[in-house]
Amino acid sequence: FELTQPPSVSVSPGQTATISCSGDNLGDTYASWYQQRPGQSPLLVIYQDDRRPSGIPERFSGSNSGNTATLTISGTQAMDEADYYCQAWDGSTYVFGTGTRVTVL
Amino acid sequence: EVHLAESGGGSVKPGGSLRLSCAASGLTFTNVWMSWVRQAPGKGLEWVGRAKSKIDGGTIDYTSPVKGRFSIWRDDSKNMVYLQMNSLKTEDTAVYYCATDNFVGAASFDYWGRGTLVTVSS
Repeated sequence: FELTQPPSVSVSPGQTATISCSGDNLGDTYASWYQQRPGQSPLLVIYQDDRRPSGIPERFSGSNSGNTATLTISGTQAMDEADYYCQAWDGSTYVFGTGTRVTVL
Repeated sequence: EVHLAESGGGSVKPGGSLRLSCAASGLTFTNVWMSWVRQAPGKGLEWVGRAKSKIDGGTIDYTSPVKGRFSIWRDDSKNMVYLQMNSLKTEDTAVYYCATDNFVGAASFDYWGRGTLVTVSS
């Protein structure tokens, strides 16, 4: 399948950023999320829909149901400005989302 | 601490070949599935392929655009995974990352290297 994300999301410091990831029956498989700051490698921030790896701040949370997975960044900080990608396994290949640039204004 | 380091990138003409290497440390490499993921300049992430651990069958899988041109293999004695790229096309230009592939647990890529740039141009 294809995973579609909004190209950009803008958020004020301290507010909540919500990023959607849409794909047919995405809720039937695990979704993961990656943060990529400019010039850096991707960093896993959410796996198994809603789990945070060690070292990832609690302000990052995830959910996945139906056709949509969601990454929520609560109390957004300037350091959260980055590109975010969702990712899932479609039964035969890994698929990444189109990517969302989060801008902290 | 897990550390992945890619090497071997560079510039090559269309139709040429290149071999990338990924050295892993800080993990029990024999138990880990390893994937290659690429990112074209200014574009998103694309999974290239993976090598399962030998205990899980050692199967190699590829994404369709690279099947028949790219080969992945691993050397568990050296904690290394390789990506041989043949018949390169301009659209293969990208930063290539190796990553640990946690398929059994979560189908996610837990650790990533810093990447190595491959440029295919005449």
